[in-house]
Amino acid sequence: SQQGEEDPQALSIQEGENATMNCSYKTSINNLQWYRQNSGRGLVHLILIRSNEREKHSGRLRVTLDTSKKSSSLLITASRAADTASYFCATDNTGGFKTIFGAGTRLFVKA
Amino acid sequence: NAGVMQNPRHLVRRRGQEARLRCSPMKGHSHVYWYRQLPEEGLKFMVYLQKENIIDESGMPKERFSAEFPKEGPSILRIQQVVRGDSAAYFCASSLTLDRGGMDYGYTFGSGTRLTVV
Repeated sequence: SQQGEEDPQALSIQEGENATMNCSYKTSINNLQWYRQNSGRGLVHLILIRSNEREKHSGRLRVTLDTSKKSSSLLITASRAADTASYFCATDNTGGFKTIFGAGTRLFVKA
Repeated sequence: NAGVMQNPRHLVRRRGQEARLRCSPMKGHSHVYWYRQLPEEGLKFMVYLQKENIIDESGMPKERFSAEFPKEGPSILRIQQVVRGDSAAYFCASSLTLDRGGMDYGYTFGSGTRLTVV
C-alpha cells in the first residue's frame, strides 16, 4: 500500500487565501518531500524536510513535520491562480531505496 | 543543464506490440528511478537503477516489463506485449546520490512519457 496519503483529495479556494494540505505516512522516514505537478506535466520538487526538522519555509511555502504523529502539512500562503496543481508528498523510508508517493491533493485556486 | 530528458513524450501502441521508453538523467546523476502514474492517481514506484545495475525492482511487474541503465546511453524501460492496462504516464527521475538526507533537494523528474495502448 502507498506510504503517503494526502488529505484532502481536492481543495478549492479563492486567490489570496491560504491552502493547507496534509500528509500521513506509516513507517519511519529519513525525510519527507513535497512535489507539485501541473496537469499533464512532470513533478517539480518544492521542499524537503528531514526527520529531525519540525518546520521549514521556502517563499510562500511552509512545511511542518510531526514524526510522533507521522504527519506533515504543506501551507501555501496568499495563493495565486498559478498555484493550481496537484501536490504530492513523498517519503524516503529508513532502510529503503525508493521514495514513495501519496495519491496527491488537487488544488484549485480561483481568480 | 538540460534536466531529465524523456522520450518520446507520447507513445501509442497496439495491443501486443512493444513499448520502449527512454530516459536520460541529469548530467552527473547516476541514480535513475522509474514511476508509473495512472490517471488521477499518485506515482507508483517501479524500479531503481544505477549504471549497469538494477538495485530495486520490487515495483515492476515480473512479466513483460524490464529496465536497464547501460554504461553508455539512456535508461530504457521496456514493456513487451502491451495491454490496455499499461496505458499510463511513465516518469523517470534521477538523483545525484542515494542519500538525500544531507541535501535539500529531492529527485529531478522528467516530463514523462504518456503511453496509450489501443
